[in-house]
Amino acid sequence: DGGITQSPKYLFRKEGQNVTLSCEQNLNHDAMYWYRQDPGQGLRLIYYSQIVNDFQKGDIAEGYSVSREKKESFPLTVTSAQKNPTAFYLCASRKGTSGNYNEQFFGPGTRLTVL
Amino acid sequence: DQQVKQNSPSLSVQEGRISILNCDYTNSMFDYFLWYKKYPAEGPTFLISISSIKDKNEDGRFTVFLNKSAKHLSLHIVPSQPGDSAVYFCAAMGLGANSKLTFGKGITLSVRP
Repeated sequence: DGGITQSPKYLFRKEGQNVTLSCEQNLNHDAMYWYRQDPGQGLRLIYYSQIVNDFQKGDIAEGYSVSREKKESFPLTVTSAQKNPTAFYLCASRKGTSGNYNEQFFGPGTRLTVL
Repeated sequence: DQQVKQNSPSLSVQEGRISILNCDYTNSMFDYFLWYKKYPAEGPTFLISISSIKDKNEDGRFTVFLNKSAKHLSLHIVPSQPGDSAVYFCAAMGLGANSKLTFGKGITLSVRP
């Protein structure tokens, strides 16, 4: 089955620790995205990558870092510099970046709780 | 500055009736609009989309209407079913390879049996 997987589903960390969230896709999609969702809020873009070894900051990139060494993988690191890391994190992918491929497809999400 | 606004946080309708979910946007550069459905603790699933060159797109029980002059779109669900109860996000994007999705805050739809 093709899709996007995020692991783990729930993650707990102590304040001050860095944590890496996994996102893998086997859809052969070029572009990948990271969003966070907070209660009563829409999805806000953290980082995105349109091609391997390249990525751009989204609207709320401070305190986060990413890498895109492989087409199918786009891990997100939440660093200790992120002031409010507790949130629901969503990874998405998109087949291409032309106007023929506008839909983004989402993974199941990771709930990060910082204690 | 919210470029995509879903001003009604919730909507409750009777099963079998029509659900109308509204969305307004401010950025005239937006060219493509999408609706996503989301259940708690799950990722959003794509529902339906519309390009700015159209004013209507229909897919089964779901129809999206776009009024470009008013910068307004709406999602109609007919007939509504209890399984439609979820949060619905409106999203918009402009043209170009670097274009990103901008999401509204979502509307919680409850369909009463």
